[in-house]
Amino acid sequence: EIVLTQSPGSLSLSPGERATLSCRASQSISSNFLAWYQQKPGQAPRLLIYAASSRATGIPDRFSGSGSGTDFTLTISRLEPEDFAVYYCQQFVSSPALTFGGGTKVESK
Amino acid sequence: EVQLVESGGGLVQPGGSLRLSCGASGFTFNNYGMNWVRQAPGKGLEWVSYISSSGRRIYDADSVRGRFTISRDNAKNSLYLQMNSLRAEDTALYYCARDADPEMATILNSPNYFDYWGQGTLVTVSS
Repeated sequence: EIVLTQSPGSLSLSPGERATLSCRASQSISSNFLAWYQQKPGQAPRLLIYAASSRATGIPDRFSGSGSGTDFTLTISRLEPEDFAVYYCQQFVSSPALTFGGGTKVESK
Repeated sequence: EVQLVESGGGLVQPGGSLRLSCGASGFTFNNYGMNWVRQAPGKGLEWVSYISSSGRRIYDADSVRGRFTISRDNAKNSLYLQMNSLRAEDTALYYCARDADPEMATILNSPNYFDYWGQGTLVTVSS
């Protein structure tokens, strides 16, 4: 099973600041098989990024994804109040044994 | 508008059974693989089961294999999860989620990533 480790576990930032979230895989993943989701309290997850760097429909361009191999990054260029949430990465290269990372919580300072 | 609406959750004793349903609308249901993903209270996401668009291919997570059965009725635009031999550790919010890429699903014959999610139905296993 491929383990995804997200860091940091939580991030305390102010609106307007840049957020950089990391997702590290226990073995190399093709970037085509890495996605990112956002989850706000009481809501279902929302797809943000697929294929490591492609934004899903309707996702603002302040969200960007990058990376390859074992190291992937989600960047929020300037935090908006609605961006404070938990973010998860997910891989499906080992599908059907797909896995999610443990999540990074982005909190308002 | 794509909508996924789960139902059937509730409180059940350990060893008991429950059947979850997910009604789909706003898209051609029989073109997409479907999944169940769960989230224990205060915890992260865990993929549970997948069923291909035709229903011919099914995969389950190790944690539920032999106890949970995913199925679908394309005529009714519905997805199901039959859960037997429930344990306390199955307590979670259960989401149905649509495979985002039907072409990739056809090539891989397995789940990929998820573009639409329902709001979830809560399953509590407790005596």
